[in-house]
Amino acid sequence: GDSVTQMEGPVTLSEEAFLTINCTYTATGYPSLFWYVQYPGEGLQLLLKATKADDKGSNKGFEATYRKETTSFHLEKGSVQVSDSAVYFCALRRVGTGGFKTIFGAGTRLFVKA
Amino acid sequence: DGGITQSPKYLFRKEGQNVTLSCEQNLNHDAMYWYRQDPGQGLRLIYYSQIVNDFQKGDIAEGYSVSREKKESFPLTVTSAQKNPTAFYLCASTNEDASSYEQYFGPGTRLTVT
Repeated sequence: GDSVTQMEGPVTLSEEAFLTINCTYTATGYPSLFWYVQYPGEGLQLLLKATKADDKGSNKGFEATYRKETTSFHLEKGSVQVSDSAVYFCALRRVGTGGFKTIFGAGTRLFVKA
Repeated sequence: DGGITQSPKYLFRKEGQNVTLSCEQNLNHDAMYWYRQDPGQGLRLIYYSQIVNDFQKGDIAEGYSVSREKKESFPLTVTSAQKNPTAFYLCASTNEDASSYEQYFGPGTRLTVT
C-alpha cells in the first residue's frame, strides 16, 4: 500500500542554519505531495504542496520539489528561525480511484536554538 | 472566516463513560476525517466520511463511532470500549472538487480519561 517515510527527529539546529528534512514515498499512480506543520498544542496546517512531477512547492522560505525518479519530496529552508520550531509532516494523497485517504509520515520534530 | 472548529479544546472524563467530540466546518467541504495523535506520534485515521449519511472505518475504528447527518458536522463518540482513549483528536476536511486535495485541520481536542 501507499506509504510515506520521513527522517526521524528530533532535529536540532541553530538559528540561520540550513534545514533539510528527508521524505520518500511509495504510491501507485501520481499522488499529490504535501508538507504540513504542527505547532505545539495546535492542529496541522498546510505548509506547501506539489501536484505533479518536477513541481516545486514553496511557502515562508520553505521549498520542496516533487521528484518522481527518486520518489522523494525533501523539505528545505535556507535559514531557519526560532519560530520554525514545530513538527513537520510529509504526506501524500492519491487522486482518482480509491484516493480518499491522506497518508502521513510519522513527523519530524524541529528545534531551533537562538 | 471559513474553517473548522472543534470543541472543547480540553476534555476530561472518567473511565467507562462515553464522550462526544464536536467538529464543525463552514468550508462547504464534502469529505471529513477524524484522526488520533498520541504523544510524539504521527496521525492515525479513525473514521472518514465522503458525503452526508455515509462514513467508513479508518485504521483504528474500534471503540469509536461517528455520524454524518449534516454536511457541516462530523461528531466523534469515544465509547467505553476504547481501551486507551487518552489522546489528541484532530478533525479535518477536504475539498474533493479541488485538484490537490489538501486537508484543512481543526485546532484539536485533547481528551484525558482517568
